[in-house]
Amino acid sequence: GAGVSQSPRYKVAKRGQDVALRCDPISGHVSLFWYQQALGQGPEFLTYFQNEAQLDKSGLPSDRFFAERPEGSVSTLKIQRTQQEDSAVYLCASSSSTGINEKLFFGSGTQLSVL
Amino acid sequence: QQPVQSPQAVILREGEDAVINCSSSKALYSVHWYRQKHGEAPVFLMILLKGGEQKGHEKISASFNEKKQQSSLYLTASQLSYSGTYFCGHSGGSGGSNYKLTFGKGTLLTVNP
Repeated sequence: GAGVSQSPRYKVAKRGQDVALRCDPISGHVSLFWYQQALGQGPEFLTYFQNEAQLDKSGLPSDRFFAERPEGSVSTLKIQRTQQEDSAVYLCASSSSTGINEKLFFGSGTQLSVL
Repeated sequence: QQPVQSPQAVILREGEDAVINCSSSKALYSVHWYRQKHGEAPVFLMILLKGGEQKGHEKISASFNEKKQQSSLYLTASQLSYSGTYFCGHSGGSGGSNYKLTFGKGTLLTVNP
């Protein structure tokens, strides 16, 4: 595709529900990142994939958060038993290489609201 | 640690210049700049690498002072399209988690006609 695509664009969940957020990176991009952006804040790192391998999940807030990228392309971020503090925009980004000196291509994000 | 950006917000008239600063308490390997318009994806502007190399935007320039652990983004002859929130992000080093960017809280730039 032309860019990084995320779905759904908006998600409203009742507290305690499970949600799944999808990211379609740019075709062929090796690296995929998930970031969480609270209102009025900068993106905060959640997790990093290099192809299908999850190399870093140090930013995931709790064990309720789980991410996967089974075939090295599409990725899903799953949040179990959602809490109000999970409300945020979840951004996905991809890049063509594994180093830090390449630009990230971000998706428009999924805005999650937990009621 | 999160980089500190200043100012938090700035309002310009079209054609005016602005400088956005980003400082860090840790040694920097590279500094990245992104712009985000409300409800949209952050868009890449610039990467500044240790050693002085720059990669990025044609009409926006930046500096990177490794010793002071600071970077500044220079917006000259601002256009209405420059409006948005500017984020700097830093990476920690060439090894280990060099892929991970830590972003500042952002600087909201508004350009008025």
